[in-house]
Amino acid sequence: DIQMTQSPSTLSASVGDRVTITCRASQSISTWLAWYQQKPGKAPKPLIYKASSLEGGVPSRFSGSGSGTEFTLTISSLQPDDFATYYCQQYNSFWTFGQGTKVEIK
Amino acid sequence: EVQLVESGGGLVQPGGSLRLSCSASGFTFSSYAMHWVRQAPGKGLQYVSTINSNGGKTYYADSAKGRFTISRDNSRSTLYLQMSSLRAEDTAVYYCAKGTQSYSDSASDYWGQGTLVTVSS
Repeated sequence: DIQMTQSPSTLSASVGDRVTITCRASQSISTWLAWYQQKPGKAPKPLIYKASSLEGGVPSRFSGSGSGTEFTLTISSLQPDDFATYYCQQYNSFWTFGQGTKVEIK
Repeated sequence: EVQLVESGGGLVQPGGSLRLSCSASGFTFSSYAMHWVRQAPGKGLQYVSTINSNGGKTYYADSAKGRFTISRDNSRSTLYLQMSSLRAEDTAVYYCAKGTQSYSDSASDYWGQGTLVTVSS
């Protein structure tokens, strides 16, 4: 099974900060990686697919990069609505999620 | 507008059974793989199961193998998850998610709001 490891687990940041979350796969998954945003009590919201393609309606301050085993999600200028938990997910072989990164207010 | 509405959750005793449903609308249900994902209270997302578009192929996480059965009725645009031999560790919100392709190894673009399953005596 493919394991996904996210870092950090928690990130404290201020509005306007540039934020980067890293996700590592236990084996190469090409670019078969997605990112989700989840707020308390809500379903996950797809943000990015195929490592770097933005879902429709997602603000351009979100971007994804990487291939193989190393991936990043970047928020270029953190906005109040962006405080949430973010998950990476591989879909190269079934699905596996990272453990999540909580972005909290500094 | 794509909508996924889960139902069937509730309180069940350990060892009991429950069937979850996910009613889909706003897209051609029979063209897409569908998935179940769960989230235990205060925990992260955990993959449960996948079914391809025609129902001919199913996949399960190790935690679900032998106890859960995924199925779909394309004529009713409904996805199911039959759960048996339930354990306390199965307590979670269960989400259904729409795949972006007909086959299993694809991303998802829509999720339901979830249904809570509580396994407790």
